[in-house]
Amino acid sequence: GIQVEQSPPDLILQEGANSTLRCNFSDSVNNLQWFHQNPWGQLINLFYIPSGTKQNGRLSATTVATERYSLLYISSSQTTDSGVYFCAVVSGNTPLVFGKGTRLSVIA
Amino acid sequence: DAGVIQSPRHEVTEMGQEVTLRCKPISGHNSLFWYRQTMMRGLELLIYFNNNVPIDDSGMPEDRFSAKMPNASFSTLKIQPSEPRDSAVYFCASSLVGEANSPLHFGNGTRLTVT
Repeated sequence: GIQVEQSPPDLILQEGANSTLRCNFSDSVNNLQWFHQNPWGQLINLFYIPSGTKQNGRLSATTVATERYSLLYISSSQTTDSGVYFCAVVSGNTPLVFGKGTRLSVIA
Repeated sequence: DAGVIQSPRHEVTEMGQEVTLRCKPISGHNSLFWYRQTMMRGLELLIYFNNNVPIDDSGMPEDRFSAKMPNASFSTLKIQPSEPRDSAVYFCASSLVGEANSPLHFGNGTRLTVT
């Protein structure tokens, strides 16, 4: 099946810094989503982005499907951005396959 | 919209007991997914339904696990008998799959502890 690799696995930022999280996948996809799991365990859908670029406040995401990667940008990070960020993809008729996540800690 | 609703939020039970987890998907969604999350294995898909029909249950770990979706607004995941290694957070999620795909939305999860 399709492989999803996220990098870096862990990231520590000073509040106010910017960061880029990467998601590589091994096959063509027709669906890609980014999720944030906050320290309380809630999984929040950030972006539905099989291709192109989207922005939502300080967050934006870009997927280059032909090159099999997606990037999640966090600007002016805040402590509330801490948690784990997951990338998940669909290839063909399979359900979403999740990466192992990037654990982000934002320090005040 | 209330989102995906799961109950209970926490469940503590003794080994050998039956456990039933419940999920109400978002109204209008036609796909429902059950996931399990542990530190060791991350997020694992257990089973998913399309239009109330189970499509793929290959992620269900053993025959002790079963899931049903009797109608579009309700699903259950049952573990009988439960074992300590079943301790995990169980998430239910729903989406609209088809010509108008929608993002996947998760419930808040049920934290299961089996002693």
